[in-house]
Amino acid sequence: QVQLQESGPGLVKSSETLSLTCSVSGYSISSGYYWGWIRQPPGKGLEWIGSFQHSSNTYYSPSLKSRVTISVDMSKNQFSLRLTSVTAADTAVYHCAREVHGYAFYYMDVWGMGTTVTVSS
Amino acid sequence: QSALTQPPSVSGSPGQSVTISCTGTSSDVGGYKYVSWYQHHPGKAPKLIIYDVSKRPSGVPDRFSGSKSGNTASLTISGLQAADEADYSCCSFAGSYRYVVFGGGTKLTVL
Repeated sequence: QVQLQESGPGLVKSSETLSLTCSVSGYSISSGYYWGWIRQPPGKGLEWIGSFQHSSNTYYSPSLKSRVTISVDMSKNQFSLRLTSVTAADTAVYHCAREVHGYAFYYMDVWGMGTTVTVSS
Repeated sequence: QSALTQPPSVSGSPGQSVTISCTGTSSDVGGYKYVSWYQHHPGKAPKLIIYDVSKRPSGVPDRFSGSKSGNTASLTISGLQAADEADYSCCSFAGSYRYVVFGGGTKLTVL
């Protein structure tokens, strides 16, 4: 059974960098699929941040691309999100997820429960 | 503002059916067959309930069904149960630039 668990600081100061990690169990990241991040600001809808496949492509939301980096640590079967120059608008619940791709993005079939990040001034 | 438009809320009584719409454009929902729906109970991981417009993953009851007409996708839940009370979000592939877009989410209340 594939499980994803997000971790990281719950509070980040404005203008600083948000860093989160997604730990994957039950499946090796290097075996396939795309792995990504999605967030949900309070009272708003889900927003896709970006995703990658090991040794293949990485895709980012055009609205966040200039501030986002997704990286992977194969030795720990984890992947990470780094979001720079955060503001209050980046306050959200951050989820990691496994994505199914083929010709294009198809869907997310496994999600983490999410972790709340608050940006303080 | 989300790329895809969903009604903020819908409601129905146990046993009834409800339909949640998801309206986009020809550059996302209308242009591809890659529309998915997710059920989200507060504090839990979102769950995939429909993919490729109308396919159900293993374990999802056939009370959940999806369809698409033009730029609007729909999720229908029949035989409403109390456990169906949750938030529902649609998602679509949106081409090589925007790539993935979501709807604003719809809160389903079972009366």
